[in-house]
Amino acid sequence: DAGVTQSPTHLIKTRGQQVTLRCSPKSGHDTVSWYQQALGQGPQFIFQYYEEEERQRGNFPDRFSGHQFPNYSSELNVNALLLGDSALYLCASSLYGDYGYTFGSGTRLTVV
Amino acid sequence: ELKVEQNPLFLSMQEGKNYTIYCNYSTTSDRLYWYRQDPGKSLESLFVLLSNGAVKQEGRLMASLDTKARLSTLHITAAVHDLSATYFCAVEMGTASKLTFGTGTRLQVTL
Repeated sequence: DAGVTQSPTHLIKTRGQQVTLRCSPKSGHDTVSWYQQALGQGPQFIFQYYEEEERQRGNFPDRFSGHQFPNYSSELNVNALLLGDSALYLCASSLYGDYGYTFGSGTRLTVV
Repeated sequence: ELKVEQNPLFLSMQEGKNYTIYCNYSTTSDRLYWYRQDPGKSLESLFVLLSNGAVKQEGRLMASLDTKARLSTLHITAAVHDLSATYFCAVEMGTASKLTFGTGTRLQVTL
């Protein structure tokens, strides 16, 4: 039973560029949440997708956007990258209405 | 706005010793989670605490929850080097909601 899969594992981008990160949830899960974890910090909630809609959003600018597909997989897009966007981006899947989250191994984004 | 604080931020302890990590949160919550994170790795779920007085144990780790005090503790018994990692608590309000994480406690167990 596959857990949460994220791709790519590492990414280097230049300021001003755009990036897309991908997440496939654990089998049986229908909800995907994204978190940003800066070095030495706890993860910060970006947004959550369920039924292909953004259900909740954290305190992130609209440069951060997402999408969920009919197969429950999800993408996180970040436009106009800033140096401060450098972080580990974690995807967590869950079953809507239930508790418990499974985290993926993350995508390490470096903006130079 | 919900705030979650952990202390200490850094803990260096000798093998065989006991210690406790504290997690305080500012408003009523529905669930409290504990996670472990190794350097450069993802989050590994340790415990989910659902109600006041809940206590869960796995190996040398024991977590408890006091919802009235808005406090959770993670107790480490007879620490071993393999427990070296960063530990996060996270609070969830409502169902299918977001997790608000604490600042993390970096635990270093020395031989």
